[in-house]
Parts: sequence; C-alpha cells; structure tokens
Amino acid sequence: DQQVKQNSPSLSVQEGRISILNCDYTNSMFDYFLWYKKYPAEGPTFLISISSIKDKNEDGRFTVFLNKSAKHLSLHIVPSQPGDSAVYFCAASVTNAGKSTFGDGTTLTVKP
Amino acid sequence: EAQVTQNPRYLITVTGKKLTVTCSQNMNHEYMSWYRQDPGLGLRQIYYSMNVEVTDKGDVPEGYKVSRKEKRNFPLILESPSPNQTSLYFCASSNWYTQYFGPGTRLTVL
Repeated sequence: DQQVKQNSPSLSVQEGRISILNCDYTNSMFDYFLWYKKYPAEGPTFLISISSIKDKNEDGRFTVFLNKSAKHLSLHIVPSQPGDSAVYFCAASVTNAGKSTFGDGTTLTVKP
Repeated sequence: EAQVTQNPRYLITVTGKKLTVTCSQNMNHEYMSWYRQDPGLGLRQIYYSMNVEVTDKGDVPEGYKVSRKEKRNFPLILESPSPNQTSLYFCASSNWYTQYFGPGTRLTVL
C-alpha cells in the first residue's frame, strides 16, 4: 500500500511558466509534508515544507499548497528556470514517529 | 561544513560477500536513516535510528542490518548481499523533520 503517491512520473514546462507538481497521500496521521529536489549523482536536498495546520507555505519562487480534506499537496514553481530541472520527491511524516514516507518522484524538465 | 558523508561511493561485489557502507554526520543530529532508491520506486526507508542504541525497521529492512553505537555514525551492513540489493543507497540525518542526505552509494551485487 503506497501511502504517498506522485502520479506524474515526468513534467515538461517552458522557462518562465509555472510548474505544478502534485502529490497525494492516504494516511490521515501524516502531519508534516516536505518537498525534496534531487539532481543526478547527488543526494536529495530539502526544498520546502508545510505543517498540517497550514494550507500554504511560500519561499521565493516555491509555494506548497496543502488540501487536507483531499489529502493532496502541490508544489508550484513560478517562474520556472532551467536550473529547476531535477527529480522532485514529496515526503510525509508523523510527528515523533521517526519515519518518513516518500513518493516515487517526478522528473521536471524546464526547457529554455 | 555541515554534511553527511558515505563511503564507498561506488561498490561492485559478489553474492554472499559481507559488506558495510559507512555513514557519518557532523551536525549532532539525533535521527539517522537509510534509504534505497530504485527506478520507479522512489526512496524507500530501510532502517532508522532516533538516538544512540535505538534502531527500528523501515519499509524494506530484509537483508540489512544497522548499528548506532555513536551519535555521528550509522553504518549499513549487508551480511550476505544478493543481486536484488543492487541499488542506490542514501544515508540521511535530521534533528526534526528536515533530512539532510549523503551523496549516495551505488552498489552492484553480481
């Protein structure tokens, strides 16, 4: 049973446009959500997070939206840049549980 | 520089030959974890540790062992590697939710 799903394996957008990456989860106990970015030959790096008590968190060009009733979160990148081309992982955690559950990742390609 | 280091970065071995992948962090983090990444399967947690001498199974612990004798080190042990353990392995550490990942170890078991 996959508790965190990223249904789009890949996404291609034009430079300057908006990129929207989606993530769905099934476990209602998850109370903290994160997005990580991964370049080839490197480990994932933290990008942005959101607590379940919020529905939006913004950091520069990156905004994460959380819809608890739909068990859905999304990452918006505006404007997209070629350097944003990477694999993006959605992750979910339960406070103090010690486990993080990751989605399969979405490969974003931003074309110049 | 705050970092998580893993060694070796690349390893080719044969079935049944015991190996250890080391992981070390210099951020004084209490929480450490091991993941494997396989095509189409994302990052799957193997084992995690919430403190020294405290370890617990993740989602795919079969065939792996870990130990946490010191806060900074969290080695991953494959007692008898098999070809289905060929994968890309990541170690991570954190103090709360945000995890800091090592550069990865690409393991091939022939």
